[in-house]
Amino acid sequence: GAGVSQTPSNKVTEKGKYVELRCDPISGHTALYWYRQSLGQGPEFLIYFQGTGAADDSGLPNDRFFAVRPEGSVSTLKIQRTERGDSAVYLCASSLFRNGYTGELFFGEGSRLTVL
Amino acid sequence: QKEVEQNSGPLSVPEGAIASLNCTYSDRVSQSFFWYRQYSGKSPELIMSIYSNGDKEDGRFTAQLNKASQYVSLLIRDSQPSDSATYLCAVTTGGYQKVTFGTGTKLQVIP
Repeated sequence: GAGVSQTPSNKVTEKGKYVELRCDPISGHTALYWYRQSLGQGPEFLIYFQGTGAADDSGLPNDRFFAVRPEGSVSTLKIQRTERGDSAVYLCASSLFRNGYTGELFFGEGSRLTVL
Repeated sequence: QKEVEQNSGPLSVPEGAIASLNCTYSDRVSQSFFWYRQYSGKSPELIMSIYSNGDKEDGRFTAQLNKASQYVSLLIRDSQPSDSATYLCAVTTGGYQKVTFGTGTKLQVIP
């Protein structure tokens, strides 16, 4: 597709369950970002990939959160033992990496996670 | 100190007026600066990027950057009700690639 695709758009789960959120970036975009956004807040940085490797994972809140991008395209954000505080909209964005710069991000529609 | 700071608003302006949105950042080596617009229930969309000191104009939007003061602003001329949204300031921090967002300023344009 032309844009960033995220699935599922909505996910309701119970506390303690495992969740996977998927992101399919714009074709040709080498940089991929995950953010988390709570109501009334700006997007909170989680992790950034350049190609297959995580270039910066400093925003992952704890070891329950993990993300992969095995072939340098699709990425999966994995959350183990979900907690009610994990409830948020998880945003994925992709970007071209050119002249040493990224930052012009194109966002997907987000995955809304609700932990009961 | 937050890496990127914005007044949360709401900022209310009458239709046709100039809206002025401000942002400060803490990382002196930040190189790239962006303004994103986010409508309620939607994802952010890029409206302006600026990389060097001074002004950059695009239609009704002007971005202003002052690296010495670590300050970036967005002016919206001839504000329209359709401009009502949250405006997010974003800055590359910790190097050239990590993009950090502010909390956003909610703009309301009153018809």
